[in-house]
Amino acid sequence: RKEVEQDPGPFNVPEGATVAFNCTYSNSASQSFFWYRQDCRKEPKLLMSVYSSGNEDGRFTAQLNRASQYISLLIRDSKLSDSATYLCVVKTGGSYIPTFGRGTSLIVHP
Amino acid sequence: EAGVAQSPRYKIIEKRQSVAFWCNPISGHATLYWYQQILGQGPKLLIQFQNNGVVDDSQLPKDRFSAERLKGVDSTLKIQPAKLEDSAVYLCASSLPLTGLNTEAFFGQGTRLTVV
Repeated sequence: RKEVEQDPGPFNVPEGATVAFNCTYSNSASQSFFWYRQDCRKEPKLLMSVYSSGNEDGRFTAQLNRASQYISLLIRDSKLSDSATYLCVVKTGGSYIPTFGRGTSLIVHP
Repeated sequence: EAGVAQSPRYKIIEKRQSVAFWCNPISGHATLYWYQQILGQGPKLLIQFQNNGVVDDSQLPKDRFSAERLKGVDSTLKIQPAKLEDSAVYLCASSLPLTGLNTEAFFGQGTRLTVV
């Protein structure tokens, strides 16, 4: 089983739609979690950290479920500019190595 | 603030040739990572440095890949000899010291390597 797993998609949604992605992780000792965004042929950039209590940044909401070992990202009112690959990142205490999932591709169409 | 600098941006080589990539991290960032990203996959860590020491290189194919960060700032990643399956984007990232679980990793634009 891979350390960090994501559905590669693509998720095709119309503008204005709400879309959610999940990411599962295998190491129960994982301690910190992030969502990165990667545009086509560009480098990954931090979208948001994921906190235990859940957190929101504008149209984006991130949740952590430790019992089931997954994190989620919810995007409301999708924009064309949200089209990108969303990478789930997990860090485990001790090594602090950022481990990436393969990413979920989102395509928002008019 | 200057970001992570990488060069070259693109490289095409024949198999069995050698190639080297260079990375200059953000000033003050003690932690430096090299990742390999194959098309359609997420970045895979090759090596992590803390200053000039190696923290983790368990996924570095040491028979052909090597990396160094001699003065704790710039880093180079070398492949010798290259194989077709090494075709990928090589991403360098840096962050503040290792002890920060929530510290953000900043990425360079990457070097796109094609082995023919």
